[in-house]
Order: sequence, then C-alpha cells, then structure tokens
Amino acid sequence: SQTIHQWPATLVQPVGSPLSLECTVEGTSNPNLYWYRQAAGRGLQLLFYSVGIGQISSEVPQNLSASRPQDRQFILSSKKLLLSDSGFYLCAWSLTSGSWNEQFFGPGTRLTVL
Amino acid sequence: AQSVTQLDSQVPVFEEAPVELRCNYSSSVSVYLFWYVQYPNQGLQLLLKYLSGSTLVKGINGFEAEFNKSQTSFHLRKPSVHISDTAEYFCAVSAQNQGAQKLVFGQGTRLTINP
Repeated sequence: SQTIHQWPATLVQPVGSPLSLECTVEGTSNPNLYWYRQAAGRGLQLLFYSVGIGQISSEVPQNLSASRPQDRQFILSSKKLLLSDSGFYLCAWSLTSGSWNEQFFGPGTRLTVL
Repeated sequence: AQSVTQLDSQVPVFEEAPVELRCNYSSSVSVYLFWYVQYPNQGLQLLLKYLSGSTLVKGINGFEAEFNKSQTSFHLRKPSVHISDTAEYFCAVSAQNQGAQKLVFGQGTRLTINP
C-alpha cells in the first residue's frame, strides 16, 4: 500500500530564516505530487505541482520554491520566510493514468513564522 | 479558471439532527466535484466525488451530495450527524481533462456537533 510522509510535523521559525519541508511517498512510482497551503481562516491553496522529476509548476507567485530531486520526494523551500508564510502545509500525491485520480494527502506541517 | 464558494464558515448542529453544507462553484469548463473532510491537525480525506452519471452521490460516513448543474451547486448532506462528524469540510473542483488534477478549494465549513 502507499503511504505519504511529511516532516517536520511542526516548525517555528523566525522571519527571514530559510525553510525546507520534505514530503516522500512510498509504494508507488512516478506519482503526481502537490504542495498546498492552508492559511488561518482560509481554504487550501495549491502552491506547486509536479508531474515528474525536475518538473515543477508554480500556481501562485511567492517567495517559496519547490523541487523534486527524486521520483517520490517533493521539497518546499524558502530562502527568507515572511510572516505571511505561516500556515498548514499539505503535500499530496496522485496516480498519473486515467481521466481522474484521487489525491491522497499527507499529515501536514504546521509552520509558524514569528 | 475555477472558483468555489462555501456559503457558511461555521455550522453548529445538535447530535442526530440533519445537516446541509452548501457549496457553489464557477467554471468555464466542465469540472469534477469533491468534498473533503479534515479532522483537527490532520490531512484531508476524500468524502465523496462527482465525476459523471447520477447527480446524487454517496460517500463515506453516511454523507451524500447532489450535483446541480443549473445552479452550479454541490451541497453536502447527512440526515443524522454524530459527535464524530465534528471537523472542517472542504468543497473542491478540478477541471476535467487536465494532466495534473489541480484542486481548487473553497474556504471550508467548520461543522460543530453539540450533544
């Protein structure tokens, strides 16, 4: 069976510090991968998605970036965090075949920028 | 582009009462429709989906939703709620026929069940 991991689970960082959140998927190959952010009092917003190694599409301009160095690894980064980067970050994966595939979400990382 | 509006940010109900969580969407192309549930400090879990066919879809935990194309709505219902249904519920859409299925979410509705 497939599993998705995210770490760390919680993170408190000062403004201006760097960020690296990691997401890994087990039990599948060549998945589509997604990063979402849930800001306080708001819905989820798609930040990045990837259909393959090294292929990253950005949905929202911001000071965050994403990378996919391996097939089942998706990393969210920032060089300098802003207060507005606080939120709950969710990684998700889906299969790539067919007209529709369910997205499976990880447990999330709660980021607080002070 | 697509957008989703969940009309109620919070819905309090008593246990065993019926509940309806409202969702409206807009899109210039055909879409798939979803409801997700998020329990505190957890990821999202798919409740149900509408891809095609019958407009009334049934999901897990006794929930159902009805797709109304003319009203561009996809309201979620449950005839009798339990304490364990306390969670945040998200309506989402995804354009059909796109390579990576990008979900567009509503703002969420916090369902609180009171004993």
